[in-house]
Amino acid sequence: AQSVAQPEDQVNVAEGNPLTVKCTYSVSGNPYLFWYVQYPNRGLQFLLKYITGDNLVKGSYGFEAEFNKSQTSFHLKKPSALVSDSALYFCAVRDIGYNQGGKLIFGQGTELSVKP
Amino acid sequence: EAGVTQFPSHSVIEKGQTVTLRCDPISGHDNLYWYRRVMGKEIKFLLHFVKESKQDESGMPNNRFLAERTGGTYSTLKVQPAELEDSGVYFCASSHLNGRGSPLHFGNGTRLTVT
Repeated sequence: AQSVAQPEDQVNVAEGNPLTVKCTYSVSGNPYLFWYVQYPNRGLQFLLKYITGDNLVKGSYGFEAEFNKSQTSFHLKKPSALVSDSALYFCAVRDIGYNQGGKLIFGQGTELSVKP
Repeated sequence: EAGVTQFPSHSVIEKGQTVTLRCDPISGHDNLYWYRRVMGKEIKFLLHFVKESKQDESGMPNNRFLAERTGGTYSTLKVQPAELEDSGVYFCASSHLNGRGSPLHFGNGTRLTVT
């Protein structure tokens, strides 16, 4: 079965410092991995995805993620954190489903707090 | 394009009552998904429609939950009768019917409180 894990419930970073939000995955076959962000009282917003190709993928708001097959990880990164990055971050893997449209399976989420 | 729309944004009902949540997906999106997040816990899958057909309903917790998608457009999720443990945020998402690489687009959710 496909699954993802986010080992940290919360990450605290000072503004201007680099940030990393960790995610590891367990899949059968090639992984289709996604990162989403949820701001208070809002829905989940798509940040970036890995399907194939370069291990470093770039996404919205200056975020990027590094796919590491040997470590089965897909960590979310940003070189310089902003206070406005404070939100809940979810890693997800796409399940195999009808016509490849299977559900997303989410990690438990990581609360990112960026302090001035 | 308009995003995924959910109605209502909040609902407070008493145990034993009925509530119906509505989701309007992005136009042209054949995949429609329902998820829910109970406070402090992860986002759990409920079910997946492809057009008007239920493709995967493995996450539906019990027969008090009924989802429909008549005509393959908007969807409703009815909880009848509601129980205290049904409280949480219910999210709807949609995506194109063109592969695992298509991201899901989420609505803002319906916050359901059962008292």
